[in-house]
Amino acid sequence: NAGVTQTPKFRVLKTGQSMTLLCAQDMNHEYMYWYRQDPGMGLRLIHYSVGEGTTAKGEVPDGYNVSRLKKQNFLLGLESAAPSQTSVYFCASSYSGSDTGELFFGEGSRLTVL
Amino acid sequence: GENVEQHPSTLSVQEGDSAVIKCTYSDSASNYFPWYKQELGKGPQLIIDIRSNVGEKKDQRIAVTLNKTAKHFSLHITETQPEDSAVYFCAASRSGGGADGLTFGKGTHLIIQP
Repeated sequence: NAGVTQTPKFRVLKTGQSMTLLCAQDMNHEYMYWYRQDPGMGLRLIHYSVGEGTTAKGEVPDGYNVSRLKKQNFLLGLESAAPSQTSVYFCASSYSGSDTGELFFGEGSRLTVL
Repeated sequence: GENVEQHPSTLSVQEGDSAVIKCTYSDSASNYFPWYKQELGKGPQLIIDIRSNVGEKKDQRIAVTLNKTAKHFSLHITETQPEDSAVYFCAASRSGGGADGLTFGKGTHLIIQP
């Protein structure tokens, strides 16, 4: 099993450009999440999904959109990138029936917006 | 919403010594407290967790303690080894780690000096 796979791993954008980060998990997890990690800020939840076709806002959703068309995939979109969105983005998934709620993270996608 | 404070931001200890990382939380309804370890270039990984009905939990060289009254929990690593060098995140959740994700602390960079 690959676990949680994120693509691309690195990307450089110009201000105003758009892009999509793809997250795929092969663990049949119901829940999926997108976090951003910034120096000194820890991990902050952008959006999450409790199942196919559903999405919800997290702590810092502005400037991002998400879609969960298939259970195994969770896409994070930036319609008009801004320098403030320079960050490392982590996707995670978890099993809805678990009593621990353990998050399984991907290895991250480093995005630079110039 | 929940607010999690984590200290210190950087901790340097000699190999073989113990390390302690402390967190406080604000939401008295939080009942699930995991700790994640993030090695360089990788996503965070769960290393230990504790629920509010337990005061202490151990797993080999690591232990977590919880003081619900003070809303305080700590990670203890004994006999530190070079592979313990990483960034550690505490987190809290009121839903037992459910779909709305976790509120993370800002992280502690643990450095093990040879």
